[in-house]
Amino acid sequence: KAGVTQTPRYLIKTRGQQVTLSCSPISGHRSVSWYQQTPGQGLQFLFEYFSETQRNKGNFPGRFSGRQFSNSRSEMNVSTLELGDSALYLCASRPGLNTEAFFGQGTRLTVV
Amino acid sequence: QQQVKQSPQSLIVQKGGIPIINCAYENTAFDYFPWYQQFPGKGPALLIAIRPDVSEKKEGRFTISFNKSAKQFSLHIMDSQPGDSATYFCAASMGYNTDKLIFGTGTRLQVFP
Repeated sequence: KAGVTQTPRYLIKTRGQQVTLSCSPISGHRSVSWYQQTPGQGLQFLFEYFSETQRNKGNFPGRFSGRQFSNSRSEMNVSTLELGDSALYLCASRPGLNTEAFFGQGTRLTVV
Repeated sequence: QQQVKQSPQSLIVQKGGIPIINCAYENTAFDYFPWYQQFPGKGPALLIAIRPDVSEKKEGRFTISFNKSAKQFSLHIMDSQPGDSATYFCAASMGYNTDKLIFGTGTRLQVFP
């Protein structure tokens, strides 16, 4: 069974630009969550989706948004990029609610 | 109240030793406590998880001990190997209305031959 697939793996963007990251969950998994990982703040929750509905959102500015499609694939978007948005963005999928979460390898975003 | 406190920040042991990583929480609504292992350049990988109705769980060389009254849980790695050198994260979540994971700050483990 293929794992969680995140694309692209690496991305370099300029301040002020916007970026879209993609996550394909494990086949059959309906829940997708996003996390930001930085050396200073650690792993922080961004948002979670189940059956195309956002269930919860973390404490991030409105520049961070996401969505989930009917095939459970998810995207997150960051607009007006800032240097501080440089991070590893991780996607996790679960087969259902209150089950184990499996992470992808992440997308390394660098904002210059 | 949403925090999970993890210690130590780093740990160095010799091969065969038993590193122990500790985590503490305040929110008694947490009902799921997983541990993740992360290698450089990779995403976190689920190692083992426990729920509050169990005091100990073993999977291979990894054991979680859970103390509900003290609101603490710990990871023990038996017969540690150089390949166990990685960063370990504890986490907690409240499953009834969200799968949001609250992570500890991580412990960097180095196992020397």
